[in-house]
Parts: sequence; C-alpha cells; structure tokens
Amino acid sequence: EAQVTQNPRYLITVTGKKLTVTCSQNMNHEYMSWYRQDPGLGLRQIYYSMNVEVTDKGDVPEGYKVSRKEKRNFPLILESPSPNQTSLYFCASSFQGARQETQYFGPGTRLLVL
Amino acid sequence: SQQGEEDPQALSIQEGENATMNCSYKTSINNLQWYRQNSGRGLVHLILIRSNEREKHSGRLRVTLDTSKKSSSLLITASRAADTASYFCATDVTHDMRFGAGTRLTVKP
Repeated sequence: EAQVTQNPRYLITVTGKKLTVTCSQNMNHEYMSWYRQDPGLGLRQIYYSMNVEVTDKGDVPEGYKVSRKEKRNFPLILESPSPNQTSLYFCASSFQGARQETQYFGPGTRLLVL
Repeated sequence: SQQGEEDPQALSIQEGENATMNCSYKTSINNLQWYRQNSGRGLVHLILIRSNEREKHSGRLRVTLDTSKKSSSLLITASRAADTASYFCATDVTHDMRFGAGTRLTVKP
C-alpha cells in the first residue's frame, strides 16, 4: 500500500531533550516536506527536500533540522525542543514537487514539549 | 506566511444541503489545490485546478477559480455527515504549496 508513515504518532518530552521524528514513504517520491499545524494558522512548512542530499528551509525552520540521506526517509530533528514547538507535525511527499501535483500526507505526530 | 485564506472559518449545515467554501490568495499562482482533513489526521488531496482552468468537477465536488479576483470556491453538493472535516486551499509558492487556516465544515445528520 502506498503510504507515508511517521513515528512516533504521539510524543511528550521536556525542554532541551533532543528528539527525532521519522518519516518514510514507499512511493519512490523525490520530494518530501515537513509541516507543522497550529490552531488558526493552518499548515506551515518547516523544511523540504527536492531529492537526496538536497534540503531547503520553509517558512518556519528555526529550531529544526532535517536530513535526506535516502530517498525514502526524511527525519525531522529537534536538537533542543522548546514549548513553542508543541504542535501537530505532518510529513508529506510527492513525485517531483508539491506545486505540480498531489502531496501525500502522513498521519501526523502530535508533540507536547513541557 | 499564509497565502490562501478560507472563508468562512466554520460552516454548519444539514445533510443533503450544499456547502460552499471560499479561498482568497494574494499572489499569482500556477495552480490551486483543495485538501480535506478529518480531525487530527493527515490531509487528503481533493482536487487541483490550474491557473488556466475556470472550473473543475470531481464527483460531488465542484471547484471554481477566478484568477482576476484571486479567489477560488469549493462546492460540495448533497452533503453527507461523512463530509464533516476541515477543508484547506493551498496555492503554489516557489517550490511548495502554501496553506490557509481552513474551513471547518460540520454536516448534521
């Protein structure tokens, strides 16, 4: 089944404790992206990747890191989480770029930073 | 920053009625997409309309695009309780799509 998976789905952590949210897609998509969703603000892009080893900042990259060592995986890293990073996070992928076609979204990761 | 803005923020209708949601955006676009999100879940793509198209249909969905007014509308006909969800428009900006805050649709049985 074609899908985007994220892990964990729910995470409670404390300020400053490094964490990684994994994202994997099995559709051989070149483009992958991370969003955060906050009430009243819609989805805001954090980082995106056009292909392996090619990443770029989105609208709200501060406090986040990403890597794209393999085509299928695009982990989101919070080196020192803070309470303002409490949010719902989505990973998405598409074949060649979000502009041209459908993005497929993962189920989301709900993060609470205390 | 947000590019698309949906209106209304919330809409409540009875099953069988039509639901219309609007989206306004600020800059020129190549295409506009509508997505649906069930509570707390990932977004699901509904329809894409290109800037040279004025109307598009998919099942009970009808999307219009007016590039002169920088606006789009999503019409869901003969709504069902299962249509209860949030609906987002997204417009293309450089390498990615920019999403609005969404319209929360409630369809009462």
